[in-house]
Amino acid sequence: EIVLTQSPDTLSLSPGERATLSCRASQSVRSNYLAWYQQKAGQAPRLLIYAASSRATGIPDRFSGSGSGTDFTLTISRLEPEDFAVYFCQQYDNSLVTFGPGTKVDIK
Amino acid sequence: EVQVVESGGGLVQPGGSLRLSCAASGFTFRKYAMTWVRQAPGKGLEWVSTVTHSGVSTFYADSVKGRFTISRDNSKNTLYLQMNSLRADDTALYYCAKVVVTTAWAYGMDVWGQGTTVTVSS
Repeated sequence: EIVLTQSPDTLSLSPGERATLSCRASQSVRSNYLAWYQQKAGQAPRLLIYAASSRATGIPDRFSGSGSGTDFTLTISRLEPEDFAVYFCQQYDNSLVTFGPGTKVDIK
Repeated sequence: EVQVVESGGGLVQPGGSLRLSCAASGFTFRKYAMTWVRQAPGKGLEWVSTVTHSGVSTFYADSVKGRFTISRDNSKNTLYLQMNSLRADDTALYYCAKVVVTTAWAYGMDVWGQGTTVTVSS
């Protein structure tokens, strides 16, 4: 089973700043089966990025995903007030899905 | 509007059973694999199970294999999760989710419900 590690645990930033979130896999994630989700308190997760770099429908272009193999990054170019939330990465391998533990982006 | 709505959660004793349902609307249900994901209180996300668009193939997390059964009725646009031999660590908010593309279920889930709460306690 592929284990995902996310860093940092918490990212404290101000609106307008750039956020860079990391997701590292214990083994290579084939075919870029890597997705990113945003979850706000009391809400369901929201798909941001799939296939490592494809933005989901309706997702603003300030969100971008990159990476391959074992190292993936979610970048938020300029934080808006509504972007402060928890972000999870997720991978698929060998008919199993695993999520990372999450990175909380909070207001500095 | 594309949406999925879960139901069937509740309080159950350890060893008991529960059946969750997920009603889908606003998209061609029979074309998409569907997934259950759970979230224990204050914890992260845990994938539970996925069923392919036809219902022929099913996949489970090791933590629920042999106890949970996923199924679907494409004539009713409904997804199910039969949960048996429930344990305290199955306590969570259970989400139903639609996969993002029709061609493969590996890429992630783009439509989520608000979840239904399952509490396993004596």
